[in-house]
Amino acid sequence: GENVEQHPSTLSVQEGDSAVIKCTYSDSASNYFPWYKQELGKGPQLIIDIRSNVGEKKDQRIAVTLNKTAKHFSLHITETQPEDSAVYFCAANPPSSNTGKLIFGQGTTLQVKP
Amino acid sequence: SAVISQKPSRDICQRGTSLTIQCQVDSQVTMMFWYRQQPGQSLTLIATANQGSEATYESGFVIDKFPISRPNLTFSTLTVSNMSPEDSSIYLCSTTGGSGANVLTFGAGSRLTVL
Repeated sequence: GENVEQHPSTLSVQEGDSAVIKCTYSDSASNYFPWYKQELGKGPQLIIDIRSNVGEKKDQRIAVTLNKTAKHFSLHITETQPEDSAVYFCAANPPSSNTGKLIFGQGTTLQVKP
Repeated sequence: SAVISQKPSRDICQRGTSLTIQCQVDSQVTMMFWYRQQPGQSLTLIATANQGSEATYESGFVIDKFPISRPNLTFSTLTVSNMSPEDSSIYLCSTTGGSGANVLTFGAGSRLTVL
């Protein structure tokens, strides 16, 4: 079945710097790749997603890139702010699964230092 | 997207007891999903709950341990039965909707600690 690996597990950056989190997936038939942000005591919140028919998507300071050949996708956060500090999860949808099943990466704890 | 409310937000439970978590959605939804997030870990799908039918469980999860109800299109419950410390986790209710398939919205979660 689908397997999602996420790196790094922790990331510390200075405010204003960029942060990059990378994920790889195993099943080339997966076609949906969301990123979730989870703040302490809260549920995961979708921040951006990409489908396999595009290679890049941007929303203000956040962008996601997808390389289908290499089966990896990345989250890019520019001009980081302290409020970006959270745990970030990537995910992929297993092929032939129901619409609510996602396989999540292990998570990255991002700390943005003021 | 849907707004999801879960109760309780947290609880401390004794070994061997059972606890039921409630999930309320502010709109009618076809599918609801229950995920587990063990301490410091990722999220794993427990089961899918459709109104009017039995829940569909993922590998490693069974109905006797995690019975689920789905009495209508806005509500579901997950019971964690005969709890042990290994069941200490955050249990998250979610649903699809919004801008397309696979787009999940999550509740805030129910953090259970089993002593």
